[in-house]
Amino acid sequence: GAGVSQTPSNKVTEKGKYVELRCDPISGHTALYWYRQSLGQGPEFLIYFQGTGAADDSGLPNDRFFAVRPEGSVSTLKIQRTERGDSAVYLCASSLGLAGYNEQFFGPGTRLTVL
Amino acid sequence: GQQVMQIPQYQHVQEGEDFTTYCNSSTTLSNIQWYKQRPGGHPVFLIQLVKSGEVKKQKRLTFQFGEAKKNSSLHITATQTTDVGTYFCAGSASGTYKYIFGTGTRLKVLA
Repeated sequence: GAGVSQTPSNKVTEKGKYVELRCDPISGHTALYWYRQSLGQGPEFLIYFQGTGAADDSGLPNDRFFAVRPEGSVSTLKIQRTERGDSAVYLCASSLGLAGYNEQFFGPGTRLTVL
Repeated sequence: GQQVMQIPQYQHVQEGEDFTTYCNSSTTLSNIQWYKQRPGGHPVFLIQLVKSGEVKKQKRLTFQFGEAKKNSSLHITATQTTDVGTYFCAGSASGTYKYIFGTGTRLKVLA
């Protein structure tokens, strides 16, 4: 069956621009996570959705980052005024039911490069 | 805030040798998950441990959760070239659903 999909797979942008990264979770998965992974590091938690609401956004680095999941399925991570330090692979993961006790299925990631 | 460390950072072994990676959390965990990430790939779930002192096996892989639920280990017996990748633990503290990933152990298996 279809796994978690993320678009675009690669995004190159200039410093100061706005970007949107999309995540399409596995159908029926109510929990959705966004992570950021820099080279040689582990995934860094950004935000977690249970359904439509952001249950925990404590990992968002600053107010330039925002994420939505309006219908409880597809999620969009939005980054304003991008900086070179935002360059990383952005991973999305979904899990079935209440998160915390279910495996996370990761998408292939979006590689963001800020020039 | 919660921190999760893993040692070693890198491990090179000859094919057929055993391998162990250790995971330590600064806070007590409600559960811990282990993931494998191949070069250029995304993390893939291996297992979840929930109970204090729990031990689970998957073929050549043995996972342990410490009695205090602050540490965990992954042991691979008789490594194969297909075991190459980075192994991450990810812990969730009590009262939260977010997972903090460890720093990872990169395993290289020499044929």
